[in-house]
Amino acid sequence: NAGVTQTPKFQVLKTGQSMTLQCAQDMNHEYMSWYRQDPGMGLRLIHYSVGAGITDQGEVPNGYNVSRSTTEDFPLRLLSAAPSQTSVYFCASSSRQRSYEQYFGPGTRLTVT
Amino acid sequence: EDQVTQSPEALRLQEGESSSLNCSYTVSGLRGLFWYRQDPGKGPEFLFTLYSAGEEKEKERLKATLTKKESFLHITAPKPEDSATYLCAVIRGSTLGRLYFGRGTQLTVWP
Repeated sequence: NAGVTQTPKFQVLKTGQSMTLQCAQDMNHEYMSWYRQDPGMGLRLIHYSVGAGITDQGEVPNGYNVSRSTTEDFPLRLLSAAPSQTSVYFCASSSRQRSYEQYFGPGTRLTVT
Repeated sequence: EDQVTQSPEALRLQEGESSSLNCSYTVSGLRGLFWYRQDPGKGPEFLFTLYSAGEEKEKERLKATLTKKESFLHITAPKPEDSATYLCAVIRGSTLGRLYFGRGTQLTVWP
C-alpha cells in the first residue's frame, strides 16, 4: 500500500491563480480531510469528507473547494490564490475499522507571491 | 466550544531526563484521544489512541495516559531521536472522521 499520496510536493503560485492539490489513498478509507499548517497555529481543518459525494466545512474553508467523486481521491481546489494561503497542506484519511486513526500524506508546501 | 490545549509549547530536555507533555480537552461526547509525532517537513505519524479514563498505552520510551479531562505523554529517558513535535487530537462521537487538534509541543532532546 502506498498509503496517502499528495501531489505536488512544492508549488509556487502568483496571486489570483487557481490550482488543485491532489490527494489519493489506497486503503479504502471512508473519511478524508484537508488541513493547513502554519507556524504556531497547529493543524487547522479546511474541509473533510465522510464518504464519496459527501463533504463538509472545517475551521478555515474560505477560498477552498473540495469534491469527492470516488473513495480514493479528495482534491483541494484553490479558486483564486492569495498570499494568506501560503502554507503547508496535509491530506489525511481514516476508517471506522481502524478506529478513526488518521493517516497523513507527506504534505504540499505552497507559496503564493 | 470544543478545545484541545497542549502544554508546554516547547520543552528542552537533556538526554535521559524524563518528563511529561500535557493535553487538556473540553469536548462533549469524547470518542477517543490520539497522539501523533511530527518530524520537520513531514506529515504527522500516528502513535496512540486512548478511549477511556484510566487507559494507558506504551511504545518504547513513550507512555500515554488518559483522565476525564486530560492526557499525558510520558517520555522516559529520552534520546535525541525523540526530538519532534508531539500533537494531541480528539474525536467526538457526533462528528466521526473529524479530528480536533491541539497546537503541539515541540520537544528537543540534547545529548
